[in-house]
Amino acid sequence: KQEVTQIPAALSVPEGENLVLNCSFTDSAIYNLQWFRQDPGKGLTSLLLIQSSQREQTSGRLNASLDKSSGRSTLYIAASQPGDSATYLCAVTDSWGKLQFGAGTQVVVTP
Amino acid sequence: DAGVTQSPTHLIKTRGQQVTLRCSPKSGHDTVSWYQQALGQGPQFIFQYYEEEERQRGNFPDRFSGHQFPNYSSELNVNALLLGDSALYLCASSLATNGYTFGSGTRLTVV
Repeated sequence: KQEVTQIPAALSVPEGENLVLNCSFTDSAIYNLQWFRQDPGKGLTSLLLIQSSQREQTSGRLNASLDKSSGRSTLYIAASQPGDSATYLCAVTDSWGKLQFGAGTQVVVTP
Repeated sequence: DAGVTQSPTHLIKTRGQQVTLRCSPKSGHDTVSWYQQALGQGPQFIFQYYEEEERQRGNFPDRFSGHQFPNYSSELNVNALLLGDSALYLCASSLATNGYTFGSGTRLTVV
């Protein structure tokens, strides 16, 4: 049974610092991995999608890596801003398209 | 280009009642999945619809049922509501399994 873990559960950093969010999964037979952002009480916004054959994906200040063999993904957010405050969720997709989520990392960026 | 649209945004029901939630997928998407997110947790997979058929189902009781229409829109029905069904219900659409777009969710409160 696939289990997805995100560490840390919460993180507080001053503005300008780089953010490093970790995601681990127990079954390497994934189709892809997706990182999402969720603001309080809102839906999920997709940030990055990494196919199982890829090692990393970049979009602006965001970079996500994937090491399928070790069951790990890392999301880097460069030069954090107060607007980056949110909960970040990672999810792995099986071949049928079912998403298995971690519990998320709650990020606070202080001005 | 409209994304995923969910209705209603908020709903209050009494224990034992029935509820129907609705979802219109992003244009061009043919697969719809439903997720339940309790406070402070990651979303949990309920089921997935493709070509009007339930393709996968998570660990939810039969009180949870769904439907997909020919225009790819979908409904989630929950019968005999329990207090524990209070959650944010998220709909996600995709074209095959190539990354998911989520709606803003329906906040269901059971009293």
